[in-house]
Amino acid sequence: GAVVSQHPSWVICKSGTSVKIECRSLDFQATTMFWYRQFPKQSLMLMATSNEGSKATYEQGVEKDKFLINHASLTLSTLTVTSAHPEDSSFYICSALQADRTGKAFFGQGTRLTVV
Amino acid sequence: TQLLEQSPQFLSIQEGENLTVYCNSSSVFSSLQWYRQEPGEGPVLLVTVVTGGEVKKLKRLTFQFGDARKDSSLHITAAQTGDTGLYLCAGAYNQGGKLIFGQGTELSVKP
Repeated sequence: GAVVSQHPSWVICKSGTSVKIECRSLDFQATTMFWYRQFPKQSLMLMATSNEGSKATYEQGVEKDKFLINHASLTLSTLTVTSAHPEDSSFYICSALQADRTGKAFFGQGTRLTVV
Repeated sequence: TQLLEQSPQFLSIQEGENLTVYCNSSSVFSSLQWYRQEPGEGPVLLVTVVTGGEVKKLKRLTFQFGDARKDSSLHITAAQTGDTGLYLCAGAYNQGGKLIFGQGTELSVKP
């Protein structure tokens, strides 16, 4: 199957700082990538849809100025959590959609963010 | 509003027992996917079903897509401790569109 790599796997940062998370499709091109947030023992909550070369589409209730998404190439999307607060601590997961439009989305391994 | 209802949300069984997880919606999906997730890792795709009434088997796992493409089930036969994990169903309204996830089923299989 296709490989999606997320970096870093875990990060600890201080309140008020910004953190960037990268999502790369290693062996395929992805015109669309999705960013999710997941709390312990809960399902994935879609935050935004990232399309290469255009602005991301955010789900209702997700602050676009706080969660900055950039999809500069067909293999890379980044999520930056700006001015992080402890309540932003969570597991962030990206998925990448194959550009061949098979409809299959592959997930990264996730990033555990802890804001102290 | 939760568009995809998954049940049960928690399930604890003994090794060797059978179990079924359900995903139901009032919406029609173009496809539905089942994932398994281990703690601290991303979801891993188990199967995609696209045709109403479709049944797919993956060893001891049987997946079914409802005739109307609104619901799906995952049946595990003779569960093993290695089946422990979080199972997620996710529906797509169109090919290449975003996935709508169910609440997840936390399965614990005890020896």
